[in-house]
Amino acid sequence: EAQVTQNPRYLITVTGKKLTVTCSQNMNHEYMSWYRQDPGLGLRQIYYSMNVEVTDKGDVPEGYKVSRKEKRNFPLILESPSPNQTSLYFCASSFGSGTPDTQYFGPGTRLTVL
Amino acid sequence: KQEVTQIPAALSVPEGENLVLNCSFTDSAIYNLQWFRQDPGKGLTSLLLIQSSQREQTSGRLNASLDKSSGRSTLYIAASQPGDSATYLCAVTTTSGTYKYIFGTGTRLKVLA
Repeated sequence: EAQVTQNPRYLITVTGKKLTVTCSQNMNHEYMSWYRQDPGLGLRQIYYSMNVEVTDKGDVPEGYKVSRKEKRNFPLILESPSPNQTSLYFCASSFGSGTPDTQYFGPGTRLTVL
Repeated sequence: KQEVTQIPAALSVPEGENLVLNCSFTDSAIYNLQWFRQDPGKGLTSLLLIQSSQREQTSGRLNASLDKSSGRSTLYIAASQPGDSATYLCAVTTTSGTYKYIFGTGTRLKVLA
């Protein structure tokens, strides 16, 4: 089944404890992206990757890191999480890197930072 | 800076009504516009994608139109059903070499049986 998977789905952590949210797609997509969704603010793009080894900042990259070593994986790293990073996070992928295309979303990761 | 607005924020209609959801954007230099559906606690599902050169797209009971010059898109849902209840989001793709997606905050739709 073609899908985008994220792990974990739920995470409660404490301020300053490094964490990684994994994202994997099995559709051979070039483009991958991370979003956060907050009430009243909608979805905002954190980072995106046009293809392997190429990443770029979205609108809200502060406090996050990403890497794209393989086409299928695009982990989101929070080196020192803070309470304002409590949010619902989505990973997404799409086929083209040169042509924006339909995005396929993962199920989401609900992160709480205490 | 591109901004995307969706009005109304919430809408409640009786089953069977035809309805229109609105999306407006401030910068007409877009590559495409997409409409998504989000069910509570779930990820987003793509409904329709309209390229900047197109005027509309249709899928089943859904029809999306795009007027790039005026910065507007509408999603028309015919003969609404309770199963259509969800939050509907639109997103535009910017044309800045690499591309970014800018989302609206969504319209929460409830269709009453």
